[in-house]
Amino acid sequence: DAGVIQSPRHEVTEMGQEVTLRCKPISGHDYLFWYRQTMMRGLELLIYFNNNVPIDDSGMPEDRFSAKMPNASFSTLKIQPSEPRDSAVYFCASSGTRDTGELFFGEGSRLTVL
Amino acid sequence: GEDVEQSLFLSVREGDSSVINCTYTDSSSTYLYWYKQEPGAGLQLLTYIFSNMDMKQDQRLTVLLNKKDKHLSLRIADTQTGDSAIYFCAEINGGTSYGKLTFGQGTILTVHP
Repeated sequence: DAGVIQSPRHEVTEMGQEVTLRCKPISGHDYLFWYRQTMMRGLELLIYFNNNVPIDDSGMPEDRFSAKMPNASFSTLKIQPSEPRDSAVYFCASSGTRDTGELFFGEGSRLTVL
Repeated sequence: GEDVEQSLFLSVREGDSSVINCTYTDSSSTYLYWYKQEPGAGLQLLTYIFSNMDMKQDQRLTVLLNKKDKHLSLRIADTQTGDSAIYFCAEINGGTSYGKLTFGQGTILTVHP
């Protein structure tokens, strides 16, 4: 298996623009997580899905952030409009139901909002 | 809510042992984890321990759990320059928040030749 695949790896955009980050989880995994990593706040859980259904979105900063999982092999995290404080590395991770906390992380999408 | 804390930095010489410490607050934690993040990469699971265990050894890695004090440590024997990375402690409460890990802020390990 190729592991968790994220795109783009790097994105530079201007304030106010829409940003869409994409994730393909490992085939057969039932859980999908979106995390954000910054120097100031460390690793923050934004939202997670189980069987394509959002379970906990309490970490989503505000209404500018939205996440979808239309099917078992694809998820998006959208920021509209983007702001400089959204600059961070965004990680997607997936996990199988029989696992007890082993998350498989993608390589991350580094977002810079100017 | 749950909280996991780690010291931010650790610097050791190549060949020495490294000990990274972590404290957590959730007494209902069922599993505790150590993840490693190398530069420019995502996190990777190193090892984990059930909450009813005291110790787990896996090659150069030794995990110690003091459940009474809610203290977890990771010892790396014969530390190599390739061990330089950020190490995250994490816990999960399998009963109430299955699948949702709480991570510490990470310890940056620097290994000097």
